[in-house]
Amino acid sequence: GQQLNQSPQSMFIQEGEDVSMNCTSSSIFNTWLWYKQDPGEGPVLLIALYKAGELTSNGRLTAQFGITRKDSFLNISASIPSDVGIYFCAGQLKTGGNKLVFGAGTILRVKS
Amino acid sequence: GAVVSQHPSRVICKSGTSVKIECRSLDFQATTMFWYRQFPKQSLMLMATSNEGSKATYEQGVEKDKFLINHASLTLSTLTVTSAHPEDSSFYICSARRAIDRPQHFGDGTRLSIL
Repeated sequence: GQQLNQSPQSMFIQEGEDVSMNCTSSSIFNTWLWYKQDPGEGPVLLIALYKAGELTSNGRLTAQFGITRKDSFLNISASIPSDVGIYFCAGQLKTGGNKLVFGAGTILRVKS
Repeated sequence: GAVVSQHPSRVICKSGTSVKIECRSLDFQATTMFWYRQFPKQSLMLMATSNEGSKATYEQGVEKDKFLINHASLTLSTLTVTSAHPEDSSFYICSARRAIDRPQHFGDGTRLSIL
């Protein structure tokens, strides 16, 4: 089945540093989504990408949809303690009812 | 923004009982809702897709008689874990979307603990 390879698995950074994480796949997706999950809660949508090559920002977050439709990255600038959490990429396919395929997640820890 | 409410947030019950979890889209009508299961330190695993007014579509390996899904209206889907056992203990999360080309929005999840 479809798989998303998300990296890095975890990051422990200093407050104020920039963060970058990415997802790749052998499958082509028509939508890429980035979610953040805090402990004991459901994922919250951060950014949705619909067009190949699209670059979208949401505050300190920037994400891009790869030209090949097989990859995406998420950058967080000037990290702050509340950025701590698990970040998931998710690809959406047109076939199979537009279900989401999730990456394994990137655990972000911020040292203040 | 899109808000999805899930209830209850936590359930602790004895083995053999059935547990019902509700998922509501509060400010939009959801043509499709999804039910996921998440184990500690793992990603979300899709269990089933629920379309209003029709039978749910279950993923491979998910027992439909064990996990009953009802999507009676455009704003409510329920998941009933029947005759729950300790191995059913997990974090269950629902999501909903406005339309097929719109993103899914998630509820806050239900922590189910079966003793």
